[in-house]
Amino acid sequence: GAVVSQHPSRVICKSGTSVKIECRSLDFQATTMFWYRQFPKQSLMLMATSNEGSKATYEQGVEKDKFLINHASLTLSTLTVTSAHPEDSSFYICSARGGQGFRNQPQHFGDGTRLSIL
Amino acid sequence: KQEVTQIPAALSVPEGENLVLNCSFTDSAIYNLQWFRQDPGKGLTSLLLIQSSQREQTSGRLNASLDKSSGRSTLYIAASQPGDSATYLCAVVLGYGQNFVFGPGTRLSVLP
Repeated sequence: GAVVSQHPSRVICKSGTSVKIECRSLDFQATTMFWYRQFPKQSLMLMATSNEGSKATYEQGVEKDKFLINHASLTLSTLTVTSAHPEDSSFYICSARGGQGFRNQPQHFGDGTRLSIL
Repeated sequence: KQEVTQIPAALSVPEGENLVLNCSFTDSAIYNLQWFRQDPGKGLTSLLLIQSSQREQTSGRLNASLDKSSGRSTLYIAASQPGDSATYLCAVVLGYGQNFVFGPGTRLSVLP
């Protein structure tokens, strides 16, 4: 079945560091990728939607200059948390959907990245 | 290995009906269970989150219950509306930071 690989699975770094998270679709072309964030004991929240070759669409309240999303190819999207601070510590998860023109294709989720900012 | 199933796979009802969506999971040692809504071409929208220590959560016309011992959760939608038409997914998490295990979803159509 379709597989989405998310890397790294865990990051611990100092405040002020920029952190890049990769999301790859391994056996299909992901025309759309989604980035989610989940704080402890809270539900998963959609941060942004990215379509290959175009700018990401951010959900209300998500700073686009803080969370840089690049979806330059059909198999890779990256999320960069710029100048991360402790309040950015969270669990980030991506998902990918393939099949241009088939908007009802299911999403396939990565395993997530646990980001801890000291 | 945790497996999540949802019944029915698809459901079509006339507007105004109350309905129940079912979710079952094989491993009762869960961290939480979440219900999501997925509209075509959109990302997931979280509907309700039930912690492992809770038995139900309510939000508006939605009520979700959790019975860990039997490995079941239900999502109750009262007075359904055409705008409720979407795919509803339940997912369990075994621990914080661990990956989701999603059910296959129930595609709901509410007819005007």
